[in-house]
Amino acid sequence: EAQVTQNPRYLITVTGKKLTVTCSQNMNHEYMSWYRQDPGLGLRQIYYSMNVEVTDKGDVPEGYKVSRKEKRNFPLILESPSPNQTSLYFCASSFGTGTGLYGYTFGSGTRLTVV
Amino acid sequence: GQQLNQSPQSMFIQEGEDVSMNCTSSSIFNTWLWYKQDPGEGPVLLIALYKAGELTSNGRLTAQFGITRKDSFLNISASIPSDVGIYFCAGRSGANNLFFGTGTRLTVIP
Repeated sequence: EAQVTQNPRYLITVTGKKLTVTCSQNMNHEYMSWYRQDPGLGLRQIYYSMNVEVTDKGDVPEGYKVSRKEKRNFPLILESPSPNQTSLYFCASSFGTGTGLYGYTFGSGTRLTVV
Repeated sequence: GQQLNQSPQSMFIQEGEDVSMNCTSSSIFNTWLWYKQDPGEGPVLLIALYKAGELTSNGRLTAQFGITRKDSFLNISASIPSDVGIYFCAGRSGANNLFFGTGTRLTVIP
């Protein structure tokens, strides 16, 4: 089944303790992206990747890191989480064409709480 | 980032009624997408629009790409309980990323 898999689904952590949220897709998509969803703010892009070893900042990159060493994986790293990073996180992937993106396939989300 | 204003923020409707929601932008987009998010899940693509003036249907859903390229609307006809969820518009303006609206939360009363 074609899908984007995120882990974990739920995570409670303490301020300052490094964590990684994994994301993997089995559709051979070039393009992958991370979003956070907060009430009243919709989905805001954190980082995106056009292909292996190519990443760029989205709208809200502060406090996050990403890497794209393999095409299928795009982990999100929080080196020193803070309470304002408590949110619902989504990974998404898509085929990238010469004319740009079309629809994303989203993962099921990771609900992160930083206390 | 781009500002996408989605309205209404929430809707409560009776089963069987039609629904209309829209999305406006301060910038021109060359692609508009509509997604639905069920509780506890990620958004799922409903309809994609690639050309100004385009009107596209997917079952009971109809969406249009505004002529000005700064707006889009989504209509749902004869709503049913499983239409409940959050509907997001998203636009692309030439860069390789999408900007999302703030969402319309739809509640359908049986």
